Amino acid sequence: QVQLVQSGAEVKKPGASVKVSCKASGYTFTSYGISWVRQAPGQGLEWMGWISAYNGNTNYAQKLQGRVTMTTDTSTSTAYMELRSLRSDDTAVYYCARGVVGGWYDDYWGQGTLVTVSS
Amino acid sequence: SYELTQPLSVSVALGQTARITCGGNNIGSKNVHWYQQKPGQAPVLVIYRDSNRPSGIPERFSGSNSGNTATLTISRAQAGDEADYYCQVWDSSTANVVFGGGTKLTVL
Repeated sequence: QVQLVQSGAEVKKPGASVKVSCKASGYTFTSYGISWVRQAPGQGLEWMGWISAYNGNTNYAQKLQGRVTMTTDTSTSTAYMELRSLRSDDTAVYYCARGVVGGWYDDYWGQGTLVTVSS
Repeated sequence: SYELTQPLSVSVALGQTARITCGGNNIGSKNVHWYQQKPGQAPVLVIYRDSNRPSGIPERFSGSNSGNTATLTISRAQAGDEADYYCQVWDSSTANVVFGGGTKLTVL
């Protein structure tokens, strides 16, 4: 069965960076993309970007351009999302999801990773 | 940038039909996807490409999309359908995915 297992919760200081991992199993990793979506406490879903697991092509949310980097390691079927220059409003649950190529929707989601930014 | 507008909340009596709307400029020309999110859980895809149900999603969930409004319809609403629902589209002008603000469904 398709599973996406994310790394554990993180606490970071403002200005630091965080890197969240997402290990996929149960499907051919390179046949799909990985989306990253975050959700601030009590707020809605915010799309962060997408990476093709086939060729590494990325598409980032305009708001996060320059601060976010998404990568994949096909040898371990793992995706990574790094966010730099953290601010308090980056405090959120970060989700990875399996992205259907060409469909721009996500059919399986990870369990989420809480990232707290606090001094 | 493209915006999607959802009502903050929708209430439905147990066993009745709930309709959650998602408004956007000429949204009928886009593919709309819907997600259900229960408290403390990750979102779940319930409708993709306007009206398609993933495997495992009950037939009670259906979708439509025309003009400036897409609609998620939940027939014979159950207590377990209480959740937040989000619509989502791909905005080709910005090459970004856009989510609606979400609708909290309450089953009375």
